[in-house]
Amino acid sequence: AQSVTQLGSHVSVSEGALVLLRCNYSSSVPPYLFWYVQYPNQGLQLLLKYTSAATLVKGINGFEAEFKKSETSFHLTKPSAHMSDAAEYFCAVSDRAADKIIFGKGTRLHILP
Amino acid sequence: GAGVSQSPSNKVTEKGKDVELRCDPISGHTALYWYRQSLGQGLEFLIYFQGNSAPDKSGLPSDRFSAERTGGSVSTLTIQRTQQEDSAVYLCASSPRPSGGYNEQFFGPGTRLTVL
Repeated sequence: AQSVTQLGSHVSVSEGALVLLRCNYSSSVPPYLFWYVQYPNQGLQLLLKYTSAATLVKGINGFEAEFKKSETSFHLTKPSAHMSDAAEYFCAVSDRAADKIIFGKGTRLHILP
Repeated sequence: GAGVSQSPSNKVTEKGKDVELRCDPISGHTALYWYRQSLGQGLEFLIYFQGNSAPDKSGLPSDRFSAERTGGSVSTLTIQRTQQEDSAVYLCASSPRPSGGYNEQFFGPGTRLTVL
């Protein structure tokens, strides 16, 4: 069965510092992977997705993620954090057999001034 | 265009009462999903609709929970005899096609349910 594990329920970085949010997946078939972001009192919106094309995926707001099959990872990065990046981030993997997406528990990103 | 909408945005109810939560998906989206988001628990899948049919109800936590979809559009999630542990944010998402492939899900803002 497909699953994702997000390391760290809370991550704090200083404004201007590198953002790194970790995600490891488990999948019995080549996965499709997603990162979603949830701003306060809003629904989730797609940041980026990996669908077996390029292993380095660029998303909105300067975020990118790299698919590493050998490490079963899909970590999310941004070179320089902005205050507006404070939100909750969810990694997800597709379960193609069940026609649904399996979400991780989320990582709340705090930006320190 | 219009996104996914949910109503009400907030619902406070007393233990034992029934509640109905509504989701209006993006027009033309055939797939519709309900999730529950509790503090520290991430997104818990509840049910998936393809058209008016629900091929996957595996996430409904008990028989107090039910959902329907009519006209391939609006969906209602009903919780009967609410309990305090039902307090959560209920999120709805829609997709042009089932998301088992690589199709993005588009989320509504959620309904925050508080059971006193």
